[in-house]
Amino acid sequence: EVVMTQSPATLSVSPGERATLSCRASQSVNSNLAWYQQKPGQAPRLLISAASTRATGLPARFGGSGSGTEFTLTISSLQSEDFAVYYCQQYNNWPRTFGQGTKVEIK
Amino acid sequence: EAQLLESGGGLVQPGGSLRLSCAASGFTFRSQAMSWVRQAPGKGLEWVSTIDISGGYTHYTASVEGRFTISRDNSKNTLYLQMNGLRAEDTALYYCAKDYSNYVGSMDVWGQGTRVAVTS
Repeated sequence: EVVMTQSPATLSVSPGERATLSCRASQSVNSNLAWYQQKPGQAPRLLISAASTRATGLPARFGGSGSGTEFTLTISSLQSEDFAVYYCQQYNNWPRTFGQGTKVEIK
Repeated sequence: EAQLLESGGGLVQPGGSLRLSCAASGFTFRSQAMSWVRQAPGKGLEWVSTIDISGGYTHYTASVEGRFTISRDNSKNTLYLQMNGLRAEDTALYYCAKDYSNYVGSMDVWGQGTRVAVTS
């Protein structure tokens, strides 16, 4: 099983600042990686597929990068609606696996 | 607009069974692989199972293999998860999700979930 490790567990950021979230895979997943956002009481929302392809309608301030075992989600200028938990997920191998999540909170 | 609506959750004793359903609308259900993902209270997301477009190929996480069965009825636009031998650790909110495509295993449409509680 591919283990996905996200860091940090919690990221405290001021509105307008840049947030950088990391996701590491225990073995190469090529570019078969997705990022999701989840707000309290809501279902997850797909942000990024294929490591860097933004979902339809996703603001340009969200960007994904990386391949192999190291991936990054960057939010260039945090808005109030961006404070949430973010998960990475690999779909290169079965079973599909998620990281444990990074909570982005208001500083 | 693509939508998914789960149902069938509830309270069940250890060892019991439940069948979850997920009604799909707004997209061509028969052309999309579908998945179940669960979230235990206060915890992260856990992928449970995926089924291909015909139902001929299925995958499961190890902890549910042999106890859970994913299936679909393309004539009814409905996805199912039959859960047998339920354990306390199966307690979670169960989401139905549509795969982005048959070649990309991200999940781009999610339901609101149905709760399963396994307790004596």
